[in-house]
Amino acid sequence: AQSVTQLDSHVSVSEGTPVLLRCNYSSSYSPSLFWYVQHPNKGLQLLLKYTSAATLVKGINGFEAEFKKSETSFHLTKPSAHMSDAAEYFCVVSDPPGGSYIPTFGRGTSLIVHP
Amino acid sequence: DVKVTQSSRYLVKRTGEKVFLECVQDMDHENMFWYRQDPGLGLRLIYFSYDVKMKEKGDIPEGYSVSREKKERFSLILESASTNQTSMYLCASSLVQLNEKLFFGSGTQLSVL
Repeated sequence: AQSVTQLDSHVSVSEGTPVLLRCNYSSSYSPSLFWYVQHPNKGLQLLLKYTSAATLVKGINGFEAEFKKSETSFHLTKPSAHMSDAAEYFCVVSDPPGGSYIPTFGRGTSLIVHP
Repeated sequence: DVKVTQSSRYLVKRTGEKVFLECVQDMDHENMFWYRQDPGLGLRLIYFSYDVKMKEKGDIPEGYSVSREKKERFSLILESASTNQTSMYLCASSLVQLNEKLFFGSGTQLSVL
């Protein structure tokens, strides 16, 4: 069965400093991985997705994530945080057919950005 | 743009009431999902459907049922609402192709008193 663990429930950074949100996954297959963002009182929006092409994936708003199979990780990064990045972030794993292809969400990481 | 519309943004119901949450998508997506979102628990899948009249249980189906009579509409039913079903309910849809992204509605905040 697939699963995903977001290693931090809260991450606090200062504006202009780098952001790192950590995600580890478990899958018996070569999964697809996603990051979604949820701003306060807004719907969930796709940031980026990995589907076995390039291991470094670029998303919207300057975010990117690197797929590391040996570490079963898919950490989300951004070089310089902006106040508007404050939101809840979810890592999602989805197995291919043969496995459980239903998207499974992590528990979320709340990103706090200080001025 | 794909639009996923949930019928109510806020809903207040009494314990024991039968509750219907409606979700409509306008992009002919095959897959539709119902999740509940609780603080610290992320999104947990209640039910999903990959075709009309087809449904499969997710991780937490107890106390819920679903109906998909038309491709664009996916309804979540709480047969007898209980206080532990107070939550944010999110509907999503996607194409049937593998690993397409999910399109979410804006959610229904349900309070059961």
